[in-house]
Amino acid sequence: ETGVTQTPRHLVMGMTNKKSLKCEQHLGHNAMYWYKQSAKKPLELMFVYSLEERVENNSVPSRFSPECPNSSHLFLHLHTLQPEDSALYLCASSLTGGLTDTQYFGPGTRLTVL
Amino acid sequence: AQSVTQLGSHVSVSEGALVLLRCNYSSSVPPYLFWYVQYPNQGLQLLLKYTTGATLVKGINGFEAEFKKSETSFHLTKPSAHMSDAAEYFCAVSVGGGSNYKLTFGKGTLLTVNP
Repeated sequence: ETGVTQTPRHLVMGMTNKKSLKCEQHLGHNAMYWYKQSAKKPLELMFVYSLEERVENNSVPSRFSPECPNSSHLFLHLHTLQPEDSALYLCASSLTGGLTDTQYFGPGTRLTVL
Repeated sequence: AQSVTQLGSHVSVSEGALVLLRCNYSSSVPPYLFWYVQYPNQGLQLLLKYTTGATLVKGINGFEAEFKKSETSFHLTKPSAHMSDAAEYFCAVSVGGGSNYKLTFGKGTLLTVNP
């Protein structure tokens, strides 16, 4: 399998549940990203990892917890979410994380919080 | 801090007509500029980007964009729209200084192509 994959593609959870989103890239990249895409709003960068080290945490609530065990895998652990957290969560990767990098996106996980 | 404004959240054109999607940016330093496209139920895909050099940039699927510093613009064009161009288009900017990893996106423009 090539490119950036995300699982699950759809997730419905209650506010007291704990779930995790998974992202995997097969491109040999060293940087990985989590974005939140909500209707009528620009993509919001949540977290950036470079060489498995978190280098950006864009004021994201602690109910979102990222994990990057190696350069190919990225997780987003979710707990006690709110209905306003319902959105499309996109994972991306790039070669180095530099300013001119092209970011390669996965298809996203559509999250609904009840 | 940088910002991106995309004029028109929805643009509708006829098949074969010119496509023009507008993007203006705000940055105190020279920017790097990107256009991404998102087809239904998919992630974003790079169309083209401007980093340095020639200000007219050609991308995939017949799209091109011109960086105009004096107008702080990076408008996306395609001479003849095809039905397969229907998608949402995002302009984005990244600049040096501060965080080296932040790409700032506009709100997107939904392109509809009518037969």
